[in-house]
Amino acid sequence: EVQLVESGGGLVQPGRSLRLSCAASGFSFGDYALSWVRQAPGKGLEWVSFIRSKAYDETTEYAASVKDRFTMSRDDSRGIAYLQMNSLKTEDTAVYYCARVLLMVASTLYRHFDYWGQGTLVTVSS
Amino acid sequence: QTVVTQEPSFSVSPGGTVTLTCGLSSGSVSSSHYPSWYQQTPGQAPRTLIYSTNTRSSGVPDRISGSILGKKAALTITGAQAEDESDYFCVVYMGRGVWVFGGGTRLTVL
Repeated sequence: EVQLVESGGGLVQPGRSLRLSCAASGFSFGDYALSWVRQAPGKGLEWVSFIRSKAYDETTEYAASVKDRFTMSRDDSRGIAYLQMNSLKTEDTAVYYCARVLLMVASTLYRHFDYWGQGTLVTVSS
Repeated sequence: QTVVTQEPSFSVSPGGTVTLTCGLSSGSVSSSHYPSWYQQTPGQAPRTLIYSTNTRSSGVPDRISGSILGKKAALTITGAQAEDESDYFCVVYMGRGVWVFGGGTRLTVL
């Protein structure tokens, strides 16, 4: 069974940093890309970041709202993805979800989030 | 700045049919955007319903379907049930590892 478990959320002051983790199990972690998606209280979903597999050099992409402040990385040996969040702002307050990204199966292209974790809450407040 | 548009809210009677749409602020949504749809109930993680325009995720009943209608992606629910009362989000792939979500549609079944 595919499982994604986020952790590391909490209360943090504006301008400070926080690192989120996404522990995966039930699939060959190194073969898959991953994303972080967030949801501010009472709001919709917002795509945050994307990391490709090692086969694609673990390159990353970011939403404009977090670019240059957030960094996504992965440790395939441990099956964990990370989101390092620096210079946090009050508008970063949200539940952060980790999602597995399906890109290709047997030469068929896909571009969607097929499994989601339960999320971890980040509150940025003084 | 790409904006993905969805109806903020929709209402359907039990047993009825509803079509939710997903558009782009500039241009049309096509299959090359790999539109996908997610259902979310309060306090829960999103659940994948439809991907690649019209492919149902495992366990999704066939009364839920996806399509392209004109310039938009569409999610159609037939025979609406109380359990369908949820928030529905679409997302489109913009290329180069970038996705944009719509603002979501709150569906009420009454």
